[in-house]
Amino acid sequence: EAGVTQFPSHSVIEKGQTVTLRCDPISGHDNLYWYRRVMGKEIKFLLHFVKESKQDESGMPNNRFLAERTGGTYSTLKVQPAELEDSGVYFCASSRIAGNSYEQYFGPGTRLTVT
Amino acid sequence: AQSVSQHNHHVILSEAASLELGCNYSYGGTVNLFWYVQYPGQHLQLLLKYFSGDPLVKGIKGFEAEFIKSKFSFNLRKPSVQWSDTAEYFCAVNAKGNNRLAFGKGNQVVVIP
Repeated sequence: EAGVTQFPSHSVIEKGQTVTLRCDPISGHDNLYWYRRVMGKEIKFLLHFVKESKQDESGMPNNRFLAERTGGTYSTLKVQPAELEDSGVYFCASSRIAGNSYEQYFGPGTRLTVT
Repeated sequence: AQSVSQHNHHVILSEAASLELGCNYSYGGTVNLFWYVQYPGQHLQLLLKYFSGDPLVKGIKGFEAEFIKSKFSFNLRKPSVQWSDTAEYFCAVNAKGNNRLAFGKGNQVVVIP
């Protein structure tokens, strides 16, 4: 079974530009999550999709961040316009719906650098 | 909201030494507990998890963790480390019924051959 994939692996953009990150979950996983790790800090939750619906977006930092999951398959996370503090590693994870007993499988992450 | 504390963010030890990484969480309700590991250049992988039952959990590669409810702790242990255990280790918690994981800051472990 293929794992969670993310694209690109690295992105370097200037402040004010737009970047779109993509995540492909494991096939059949209805739950998709985005997390972010800013350098020196802990990995923090951004949001959770169940199929194409946003279940929990309480971790989104501000309205410059827009996540979508059209059709309930892959997801995109767009940052527009990017700011310096958006630099970090963005992780995507997916899981099956299985009550309270589940495991989140993580992708390799996208390292975003805003200069 | 849950929060997770991991101390000793950088640990250096020799092969065959024992390893113990502390994890404390703050949350008053019932939780699921996890240890994830990220080897150099690889994805975050699940090392072990606790949902219910026996509080002593055994994971992959000889790791184990003990859930002590009264101490809000879920410490990770390995009696004898190998060079290949060099990695960053993350403790994570989520409240039952809530899919959002809260992570600690991680422990960077370096094992010297």
